[in-house]
Amino acid sequence: SQELEQSPQSLIVQEGKNLTINCTSSKTLYGLYWYKQKYGEGLIFLMMLQKGGEEKSHEKITAKLDEKKQQSSLHITASQPSHAGIYLCGAVAGGTSYGKLTFGQGTILTVHP
Amino acid sequence: DAGVTQSPTHLIKTRGQQVTLRCSPKSGHDTVSWYQQALGQGPQFIFQYYEEEERQRGNFPDRFSGHQFPNYSSELNVNALLLGDSALYLCASSNGQLRGYTFGSGTRLTVV
Repeated sequence: SQELEQSPQSLIVQEGKNLTINCTSSKTLYGLYWYKQKYGEGLIFLMMLQKGGEEKSHEKITAKLDEKKQQSSLHITASQPSHAGIYLCGAVAGGTSYGKLTFGQGTILTVHP
Repeated sequence: DAGVTQSPTHLIKTRGQQVTLRCSPKSGHDTVSWYQQALGQGPQFIFQYYEEEERQRGNFPDRFSGHQFPNYSSELNVNALLLGDSALYLCASSNGQLRGYTFGSGTRLTVV
């Protein structure tokens, strides 16, 4: 079964600093999702990457998919306290358009003002 | 446009009891998946329903069962509750295309 490993597990940064979160898969990535979660709440969809080399941006968050490396990265520019939360990557196995999402364990981001 | 709606938001049950959680998918979505998220971990897939049938199942015991109704809403039932069933239960809906899964706010289940 596919496994996703996120690094780092936790991150503490000063407001205004840039940061990167990585998600590495044990198998080929056909689609990679990034979600943000506030503690104890539901998941907020950030971005979905489908093709190797694809890069998407939303506000100050950019995500990339490196299919060959079976890895995705999430980069936040000029972090703000509102970026704090748990970031989760998820993938669907086998290239199907449906099916279970396998998640990484999450990266806890703290942004100090 | 309403997103995914889950009820109740919080629930406290006693060990051995049974519980039913409910989910209404986002408008236009016909597929519902359920996930269990223990504290400090990523969500774990329980099962997925499409056209009122269980299409895929994760590694959960038969105590976990579900149902999907003709209006695409879904229920998750857990029998003979164990302390270890305490978790955040998340419902996600999709429309069968690779356009993303929309998650609800979850139901926090505490088993005492």
